[in-house]
Amino acid sequence: EADIYQTPRYLVIGTGKKITLECSQTMGHDKMYWYQQDPGMELHLIHYSYGVNSTEKGDLSSESTVSRIRTEHFPLTLESARPSHTSQYLCASSVRQNGNEKLFFGSGTQLSVL
Amino acid sequence: KNQVEQSPQSLIILEGKNCTLQCNYTVSPFSNLRWYKQDTGRGPVSLTIMTFSENTKSNGRYTATLDADTKQSSLHITASQLSDSASYICVVSDRGSTLGRLYFGRGTQLTVWP
Repeated sequence: EADIYQTPRYLVIGTGKKITLECSQTMGHDKMYWYQQDPGMELHLIHYSYGVNSTEKGDLSSESTVSRIRTEHFPLTLESARPSHTSQYLCASSVRQNGNEKLFFGSGTQLSVL
Repeated sequence: KNQVEQSPQSLIILEGKNCTLQCNYTVSPFSNLRWYKQDTGRGPVSLTIMTFSENTKSNGRYTATLDADTKQSSLHITASQLSDSASYICVVSDRGSTLGRLYFGRGTQLTVWP
């Protein structure tokens, strides 16, 4: 069972609002990730981090930003939410096991922007 | 273009029956192939990870096979249960870096009926 937590699970907000999606893990993993997933579609990497004070943009262009001040915490922020940001956001962390990076996912935040 | 294609898109089977899900990929170079189970509204959970040298791996009633020559993988589920209803996602990693680039399929939505 993965010890990685996302809050809130569901969020409905109006256009233009600033929001922060929280992600915390208690496994001490250095690498963390944010993915975006629409229904029936593949996951797309939007941000990742190798460790404290490290943040990188992923494959999918995103208007969100992330920070990594503590190992266990990797929040994602949208300064001004728009309806196009409506999606499921999945946080993950990983650790090297048997030569492969094993990913552990949180339960996700379903964001709806009206 | 690196891609991961899964079939069928959706599948309905009766409880107790077996089924096989397919994954074809064009990712090169190849590092490993993973199968994940994603329950509705939850994050993906790892079922198996196979490297180039492995051609089969089991996890309980789940058995994954890999043919690296034809770039095909399958996930066989034996004696299905209602709790197997979920999306099954095939993910392929390249050898681009120590982190690796992950290519996600869109998943096969499996429904098990009583």
